[in-house]
Amino acid sequence: GNSVTQMEGPVTLSEEAFLTINCTYTATGYPSLFWYVQYPGEGLQLLLKATKADDKGSNKGFEATYRKETTSFHLEKGSVQVSDSAVYFCALSGSSSNTGKLIFGQGTTLQVKP
Amino acid sequence: NAGVTQTPKFQVLKTGQSMTLQCAQDMNHNSMYWYRQDPGMGLRLIYYSASEGTTDKGEVPNGYNVSRLNKREFSLRLESAAPSQTSVYFCASSAGTSGYEQYFGPGTRLTVT
Repeated sequence: GNSVTQMEGPVTLSEEAFLTINCTYTATGYPSLFWYVQYPGEGLQLLLKATKADDKGSNKGFEATYRKETTSFHLEKGSVQVSDSAVYFCALSGSSSNTGKLIFGQGTTLQVKP
Repeated sequence: NAGVTQTPKFQVLKTGQSMTLQCAQDMNHNSMYWYRQDPGMGLRLIYYSASEGTTDKGEVPNGYNVSRLNKREFSLRLESAAPSQTSVYFCASSAGTSGYEQYFGPGTRLTVT
């Protein structure tokens, strides 16, 4: 079945450091891929998405590229801020599904120190 | 624009009690979902409704029931709460199925003692 694996956290960085959070997936066909962010005490918000191979999603300085050859969708940001501290979830929606169900990774906690 | 709303925000139940979590969306979305979030496990799908009038089980449906009351509202019912149902519950909606992003509500934190 479909699955998503994220790097384990927590990830602790200093402000202005480079961020990478690894995400790999297992799926048949061509799933859509998403990154969601959850700030403390809040629900999940879509950060970015990509719906086909080689697509790059980007938002708020974050980027992720859909790599079918390595089944990966790693999240990157060139210079993190304290306000980026949150939990980040990688997710996929299967191409063969007609339900739109999302399969989530376990989440990666990011803490950015001033 | 309210988006997805959930009530209540917090709830404490005793084992065996019942309750209904309410969810509503004002985006005219066809599909709605209920997830639970537990530490270290990401979000797991409980039930979903791909369109008005249909509901289906997700990954962890045992102990829950749902009702798609109309296009806007999708409720989750715990008939006899158990401590294992202590969790944070999120409702979500999307315009369609494949490839569409989901929009999440703020969550309900439920504790069962």
